[in-house]
Amino acid sequence: DVKVTQSSRYLVKRTGEKVFLECVQDMDHENMFWYRQDPGLGLRLIYFSYDVKMKEKGDIPEGYSVSREKKERFSLILESASTNQTSMYLCASSLAHPVLNTEAFFGQGTRLTVV
Amino acid sequence: AQSVTQLDSQVPVFEEAPVELRCNYSSSVSVYLFWYVQYPNQGLQLLLKYLSGSTLVKGINGFEAEFNKSQTSFHLRKPSVHISDTAEYFCAVSDGRGSTLGRLYFGRGTQLTVWP
Repeated sequence: DVKVTQSSRYLVKRTGEKVFLECVQDMDHENMFWYRQDPGLGLRLIYFSYDVKMKEKGDIPEGYSVSREKKERFSLILESASTNQTSMYLCASSLAHPVLNTEAFFGQGTRLTVV
Repeated sequence: AQSVTQLDSQVPVFEEAPVELRCNYSSSVSVYLFWYVQYPNQGLQLLLKYLSGSTLVKGINGFEAEFNKSQTSFHLRKPSVHISDTAEYFCAVSDGRGSTLGRLYFGRGTQLTVWP
């Protein structure tokens, strides 16, 4: 089974802290994604990566950055956490293939609270 | 960019009743369509997907969905729900055929609550 593992289920951080959310997948997928989930807004794409050291902005990249130094790991960084970044963060991965990429596999999510 | 509209934010239903969760998408090109389910404090799990072929797609847990190209809809149905089906359901559409990226565009979700 494909496994996407997010390093923390719950995090509490203070305003202004630098926050790292880690995601690891074990299926050699090229594509990796970070989404943010808020009630009534669904999932919104923050950043994605289709290869090592490659990254692209999604719909809401402001206040975030990412790092992909190894194929299996995709990190989301909050440079200076703010209370409006309190949310559920979901990592996903998929295969780079015009048909087989159709299934994205999700991690369990990290519920981040910024106080 | 694609967009997905889930027409109901909340659907309450009694156990063993049928349910339909509605989804419309906007796209001028061929797309792949998906339904994901999220149980409380969990990630998303794929319920079913439409890639091509038969417009009626069967998924896990007794769910099915029908792709209607003329109405750009992909509604999810179950003939008899169980309390364990209580969860949030997300409709999603992909980038489109030929893309290797597989970016998904999500609707805002429908909370299905099944009452005894």
